[in-house]
Amino acid sequence: DVKVTQSSRYLVKRTGEKVFLECVQDMDHENMFWYRQDPGLGLRLIYFSYDVKMKEKGDIPEGYSVSREKKERFSLILESASTNQTSMYLCASSSQRGTLNTEAFFGQGTRLTVV
Amino acid sequence: DQQVKQNSPSLSVQEGRISILNCDYTNSMFDYFLWYKKYPAEGPTFLISISSIKDKNEDGRFTVFLNKSAKHLSLHIVPSQPGDSAVYFCAAWDNAGNMLTFGGGTRLMVKP
Repeated sequence: DVKVTQSSRYLVKRTGEKVFLECVQDMDHENMFWYRQDPGLGLRLIYFSYDVKMKEKGDIPEGYSVSREKKERFSLILESASTNQTSMYLCASSSQRGTLNTEAFFGQGTRLTVV
Repeated sequence: DQQVKQNSPSLSVQEGRISILNCDYTNSMFDYFLWYKKYPAEGPTFLISISSIKDKNEDGRFTVFLNKSAKHLSLHIVPSQPGDSAVYFCAAWDNAGNMLTFGGGTRLMVKP
């Protein structure tokens, strides 16, 4: 059974803090993604990675950075948290195209509140 | 500009009837489409997908239709059940296979 695990379900942080959101997958997937979900805006892609140490900006990378030192782990970093980063953060992973399995699997989400 | 659009933010349907959720896309490089279902405080779960070489894919009560010329896809749920009440997201892979783009979601409410 595929598992994508996010380190926290709920987080409350103060404005200006550096925040780390961790994600681990156990299916040896090449691709990993970070999205945020906001009411009326759907899921917006922040960053994705298709290989270790590789990263690509998504639609809304401003204020975020990522790290992928190991294939199974993809971290999202909020350099200096702001209240407009209060959101639900979702991590996902998928295998490379060219295989039969082309769905992305999601973690349970982290609800981050910045006060 | 959103490349994947779900123009109906919500839909209410009676139990047993058909639910039709719509999705439009603008990027002609998209070649594989997926539908996800999401309950509150949970991650999205995969429902059904369709390749751009097909125009229909069926899985039990769920059918996805793709009209490439119109850049439009739809999800049909027949018959609808109260447990189907959730937010449904349409998503698309680009043909490089690295970027998965989502629509804004449609909240489906199935009334008993």
